[in-house]
Amino acid sequence: EAQVTQNPRYLITVTGKKLTVTCSQNMNHEYMSWYRQDPGLGLRQIYYSMNVEVTDKGDVPEGYKVSRKEKRNFPLILESPSPNQTSLYFCASSFSLLRPQQYFGPGTRLTVT
Amino acid sequence: AQRVTQPEKLLSVFKGAPVELKCNYSYSGSPELFWYVQYSRQRLQLLLRHISRESIKGFTADLNKGETSFHLKKPFAQEEDSAMYYCAHLNAGNMLTFGGGTRLMVKP
Repeated sequence: EAQVTQNPRYLITVTGKKLTVTCSQNMNHEYMSWYRQDPGLGLRQIYYSMNVEVTDKGDVPEGYKVSRKEKRNFPLILESPSPNQTSLYFCASSFSLLRPQQYFGPGTRLTVT
Repeated sequence: AQRVTQPEKLLSVFKGAPVELKCNYSYSGSPELFWYVQYSRQRLQLLLRHISRESIKGFTADLNKGETSFHLKKPFAQEEDSAMYYCAHLNAGNMLTFGGGTRLMVKP
């Protein structure tokens, strides 16, 4: 089944404790991205990647890192999480620039205390 | 700044009534616009893409360049249409910008 998976789905952590949210897609998509969804603000793009080893900042990249060492994986790293990073995070992928329809993961709800 | 605006956070209609979810954009050039939908406890999924000019689940959306709008319409709302709807714009760099979303509630 073609899908985008994220882990963990739920995470409660404390300020400053490094964490990684994994994202994996099995559709051989070139393009992957991370979004955060906050009440009243909708979805905002954090980082995106157009292919392996190619990443770029989205609208709200501060406090986040990403890597794209393999085509299928695009982990989101919070080196020192803070409470304002409490949010619902979505990973998405699409085939390419010419076929930009994005497929979304199920979401990861992160709480930073 | 380039923006996608959905002026209504909540839209409540009765079953069978027409529904229009508004979306305005402020980008120059030829826009590529989408509507995404998120049903309760489900992931976000693509509903419509303006290029394909199709009707999905009875919804249509017409791009109006003069008014810089891409409103989503359905003539007769159904209860199962209740969901969060997001308008989105894809820029030349393949960056997708979402509007703030509109929650549609269809009452029986």
